[in-house]
Amino acid sequence: SQTIHQWPATLVQPVGSPLSLECTVEGTSNPNLYWYRQAAGRGLQLLFYSVGIGQISSEVPQNLSASRPQDRQFILSSKKLLLSDSGFYLCAWSVLGSEQYFGPGTRLTVT
Amino acid sequence: GENVEQHPSTLSVQEGDSAVIKCTYSDSASNYFPWYKQELGKRPQLIIDIRSNVGEKKDQRIAVTLNKTAKHFSLHITETQPEDSAVYFCAAIESSDGLTFGKGTHLIIQP
Repeated sequence: SQTIHQWPATLVQPVGSPLSLECTVEGTSNPNLYWYRQAAGRGLQLLFYSVGIGQISSEVPQNLSASRPQDRQFILSSKKLLLSDSGFYLCAWSVLGSEQYFGPGTRLTVT
Repeated sequence: GENVEQHPSTLSVQEGDSAVIKCTYSDSASNYFPWYKQELGKRPQLIIDIRSNVGEKKDQRIAVTLNKTAKHFSLHITETQPEDSAVYFCAAIESSDGLTFGKGTHLIIQP
């Protein structure tokens, strides 16, 4: 069966520091991968999606970036965090654009 | 791009009564409509979905209806139970792009 991992689970970082969140998927090949952000008490916003290695589409302009160095690995990064980057970051996967399944999430607090 | 509106933002019902959450979407090309349930601090979990070639789908106490002409879809929960209390999100998607989510409905089941 398929499993999706995210780490770390929680993170507290100062403003201006770099960020690297990792997501990996097991049990499937060539999945579509997604990064979403959920601000406190709010809905989910799509940040990036990827249909293959090295293929990244960005949905909103921001100081975040994403990379997919391997088929089942998706990384979310920032060179300098802002206070507004705080939130719950969720990675998701799907096959052929159908049902999406979410990872456990990373709760990021920027101080 | 797609825009999904969800109502109400908060819904309080007596245990045993039914709950209905409604969503509208803007992109007539969208063809997949999932519903997610998110408990406090946890990842969203897919509970039911419907595709554009189907008008209604039911799974035990949960049902979803889709009206493609009017571009709206609804979640129906019958015989509500305390464990149904959560935030529910509707979403829409056309292809391999990421999901566009509604802002969520906080469902409260009153004992």
